[in-house]
Amino acid sequence: AQKVTQAQTEISVVEKEDVTLDCVYETRDTTYYLFWYKQPPSGELVFLIRRNSFDEQNEISGRYSWNFQKSTSSFNFTITASQVVDSAVYFCALRRISSGSARQLTFGSGTQLTVLP
Amino acid sequence: DGGITQSPKYLFRKEGQNVTLSCEQNLNHDAMYWYRQDPGQGLRLIYYSQIVNDFQKGDIAEGYSVSREKKESFPLTVTSAQKNPTAFYLCASSRAATNEKLFFGSGTQLSVL
Repeated sequence: AQKVTQAQTEISVVEKEDVTLDCVYETRDTTYYLFWYKQPPSGELVFLIRRNSFDEQNEISGRYSWNFQKSTSSFNFTITASQVVDSAVYFCALRRISSGSARQLTFGSGTQLTVLP
Repeated sequence: DGGITQSPKYLFRKEGQNVTLSCEQNLNHDAMYWYRQDPGQGLRLIYYSQIVNDFQKGDIAEGYSVSREKKESFPLTVTSAQKNPTAFYLCASSRAATNEKLFFGSGTQLSVL
């Protein structure tokens, strides 16, 4: 069985602070995908990143960066110089690469990030 | 603009009533999905459809039904058998069932009167 744990239920930071959202996962598969989605107040989830389990290179996209550590089963997400528009619920998710559909996509419970002006 | 449209945004159900949530996409995606989101919980898969006229149960299908008569439409009916229907419902689609990037609608909040 797969499991994704986002232990931080809510985080509040002041604008321009850096913030890291934690994601820890469990899977018996040796190959899998990891994702981060953002859910702004409008409700729809927005895809942020996908990472293959066999590629542990960290990735940076503007103010966003992701730290994938297979040894500790973690896929943490850092926002540098946070802005009020970053306020949202962030979901981490896991899926088997061998799965034929998104049916095997497992979501964490989400982290509510509030960036205060 | 291409995207997924869910309606209504808010819906109220009376005891014993069936209600239908609409989901339409103009992305020409083959696969569509329904998720349920409860406060403080992750998304749970209700039903999914890989192609027209085909759909499969997800993890929490009891009390729900779907149809996929057209590629662009995947309505979800919450039946009276669903005893705890109050939740936020999200529809999603992907180019193919094997494509892991999901596009989501803006959701429907269902509440029981």
